Order: sequence, then C-alpha cells, then structure tokens
Amino acid sequence: EDQVTQSPEALRLQEGESSSLNCSYTVSGLRGLFWYRQDPGKGPEFLFTLYSAGEEKEKERLKATLTKKESFLHITAPKPEDSATYLCAVQAGYSSASKIIFGSGTRLSIRP
Amino acid sequence: NAGVTQTPKFQVLKTGQSMTLQCAQDMNHEYMSWYRQDPGMGLRLIHYSVGAGITDQGEVPNGYNVSRSTTEDFPLRLLSAAPSQTSVYFCASSSGTGYSNQPQHFGDGTRLSIL
Repeated sequence: EDQVTQSPEALRLQEGESSSLNCSYTVSGLRGLFWYRQDPGKGPEFLFTLYSAGEEKEKERLKATLTKKESFLHITAPKPEDSATYLCAVQAGYSSASKIIFGSGTRLSIRP
Repeated sequence: NAGVTQTPKFQVLKTGQSMTLQCAQDMNHEYMSWYRQDPGMGLRLIHYSVGAGITDQGEVPNGYNVSRSTTEDFPLRLLSAAPSQTSVYFCASSSGTGYSNQPQHFGDGTRLSIL
C-alpha cells in the first residue's frame, strides 16, 4: 500500500536552532515529491519539487533533499516567521490517474 | 492574481441538507482537485478533473459529486450532508495533467460544519 509518513508530528525550536523534518514514503513509481508550507487558516503553499534521488533544492533558510526512501526538509537558523505546518506529498504511478498522497504534516514552532 | 478562489469560507449545515462548494481558478489550469483535511489525517483526495468534461474519483468520493463544464470552475456538491463530512475542504489546480508532476496551487479552504 502506498504510504507517506512525516515525522515528527510537532517540533518546537528556539530561534536560530537548526533542525530537519522527515518525509518517508513507500510508493510504486515515484514521479515527484512536493513540499508545501501551510499557515493557520490558509491553503498549502508550494515550496519545492524533487524528482529523483540525490536532488536538492534550496530557498532562503530551507533546503530539501531526496533519497530513494525519504526526503528531508532542513531548516537552518530558523526565525519565528518560519512557524507553520510543513506538508510532504508524493505523486506516484505511471498512468493518467497517478495518485498524489499527502503526509499528515509537521507543525513547526519557532520561539523568539 | 486571484489564483484559486473558494466560496464560501465558512458554512454550517444541518444533517441531510445539500450544498455546493464553489471553486474557480484564473490560471487556465487543466488539472483541478478537491481535498478534505481532517486533524491528524493529512489531505485526502475526494475528486479530480484533468480537463473540462472529465472527472474521476479520488480516495474518499462517497457523498460528493463534481462536474467540470468549464476550465475555470470545479464545484463540489454534498448530496445529503452528514456529520462525518465536517471538515476543511480545499480546492487545488495545476498546470500539469495526471501524467505531469507539477505542483498544485491551493485555495484558502471552506470550513464546513454539519450539525
């Protein structure tokens, strides 16, 4: 069964304290892995797409990496405005009905 | 840029009532989808469409209907509301199709409570 699991469920950090969020997946035919940020009361906002193992993408304090089994979202020297829920989604399958499966997210809180 | 617009933002229904959640996008995207988001369960796909006149079921389609008469609009209909349908509903669109792995653009959601 295709599955996407994110850990931890919640993470509290001090401002400037770097850490990583994990997204592990078990799917057939990975076509892409997406990271989104979701603020309270808002829809998810796209951050990155990763297509193959070894690929990395960076944006400001965020860096996403991908292996054959998992992806990491590294947050370097976070600021309070980085507080949000981070969602991982995997697109899998080779037909026109390829599935997009979301993880349940990691709630990140950065204390000033 | 409006992006993906969902209406209403909040709605309270009684069990058995029906209603339509509206979704419109102005990016000329072919792919549109509806998700529900429940605590601890992530986003689950209800229905999706790869173009006008084409719709298909997602992971949790029971109790919901969709149609796609234009590229811009993708309404979601609750046929007979049940308390289990209390959730936050998100509409999304993408420039890709089912084959293409393009990111989705999301609306800000409709918060629906069924009493």
